[in-house]
Amino acid sequence: DQQVKQNSPSLSVQEGRISILNCDYTNSMFDYFLWYKKYPAEGPTFLISISSIKDKNEDGRFTVFLNKSAKHLSLHIVPSQPGDSAVYFCAASEGGAYNTDKLIFGTGTRLQVFP
Amino acid sequence: DAGVTQSPTHLIKTRGQQVTLRCSPKSGHDTVSWYQQALGQGPQFIFQYYEEEERQRGNFPDRFSGHQFPNYSSELNVNALLLGDSALYLCASSQTGHYGEQYFGPGTRLTVT
Repeated sequence: DQQVKQNSPSLSVQEGRISILNCDYTNSMFDYFLWYKKYPAEGPTFLISISSIKDKNEDGRFTVFLNKSAKHLSLHIVPSQPGDSAVYFCAASEGGAYNTDKLIFGTGTRLQVFP
Repeated sequence: DAGVTQSPTHLIKTRGQQVTLRCSPKSGHDTVSWYQQALGQGPQFIFQYYEEEERQRGNFPDRFSGHQFPNYSSELNVNALLLGDSALYLCASSQTGHYGEQYFGPGTRLTVT
């Protein structure tokens, strides 16, 4: 049973435009959500997170939105840059912002930003 | 500041063999988690070690076992390898009781033939 779903395997966006990556979850006990970025031959790199007590968190060009009633979150990247081309994973945990709880990952979305 | 390191980078084993993968956590971190990432999938949680004991475990068989040493480094052992064990094995470290993300290493690519 896939508790975290990323239904778009890939996304292609022009440089300078907005990239929107989506993630859905089924477990209502999840209270902390994270986005990781992964380049080939590297481990996932943390991007941004959000607690379930918030509905938005912003860090530079990256903003994550959380809609608890819909069990949906999205990552917005504005403006998109070619260096953003990578696989993006959505992850969730039940342990709050304490970083030691197991992470449940989605299957990832491959973002390609073209000039 | 050294991040999470893993060894070896790549490994090829034959079905039925045993393998040991190693992980050194980021400086100051005391908790190590292991994940398996199959091709085209997201990482799946195997188990987590804290204070040299397994604290949490995912849905993996007993063939998967681990160890944490006093210096917080960790090993993942897989016995009786199956073809389906071929995957990227990721180690992540964190500090119990603190906010913040888990830091991942580059992974060990295991191929079982």
